[in-house]
Amino acid sequence: AQSVTQLGSHVSVSEGALVLLRCNYSSSVPPYLFWYVQYPNQGLQLLLKYTTGATLVKGINGFEAEFKKSETSFHLTKPSAHMSDAAEYFCAVRAIQGAQKLVFGQGTRLTINP
Amino acid sequence: DTGVSQNPRHKITKRGQNVTFRCDPISEHNRLYWYRQTLGQGPEFLTYFQNEAQLEKSRLLSDRFSAERPKGSFSTLEIQRTEQGDSAMYLCASSLGVAGDTEAFFGQGTRLTVV
Repeated sequence: AQSVTQLGSHVSVSEGALVLLRCNYSSSVPPYLFWYVQYPNQGLQLLLKYTTGATLVKGINGFEAEFKKSETSFHLTKPSAHMSDAAEYFCAVRAIQGAQKLVFGQGTRLTINP
Repeated sequence: DTGVSQNPRHKITKRGQNVTFRCDPISEHNRLYWYRQTLGQGPEFLTYFQNEAQLEKSRLLSDRFSAERPKGSFSTLEIQRTEQGDSAMYLCASSLGVAGDTEAFFGQGTRLTVV
């Protein structure tokens, strides 16, 4: 069975500061990995994904994440936070073959302080 | 294409009533998924369709829940005899469903409140 753990349900940073949201996963085989963002009362928007190839993945809005197989991690970073980054962020995994469902972490709410 | 569309966006119902939600996926997408998201939690998988075939159902999908996807196009999720614990955001997603398919696109969700 797959599972995702997001360390820190709330993260608060100052505008312009580094954003780091942590995600660790458990899977019997290397999965596909995703980060989604959710604004209030909205659906989920894909930020970035890792499937194969380069382990440092760049996404939209200046976010990037690095897949570290040895640490079973897929942490999300952004060098300089913007007020518009305030939202809920979800890390998710999916098996490469077989079941197509996404397994999500519990989410991290990011707050940006002026 | 405007993406995945869900209707209604909000639904308030009395306990014991039946409700039905609709999801229209992106037109060329073969796979369609339903998830449920309660407050402060990540979405949880409910069920998924490949065309009109329902291929997987979560144990979260009790006998009161039923999903259909007639003709492999839009899908409906019905909840019978609603309970307060059914209050949640119900999310629909779709994906291409071909080899190498990696990305699911989500709708804006239907927020259900059972009073």
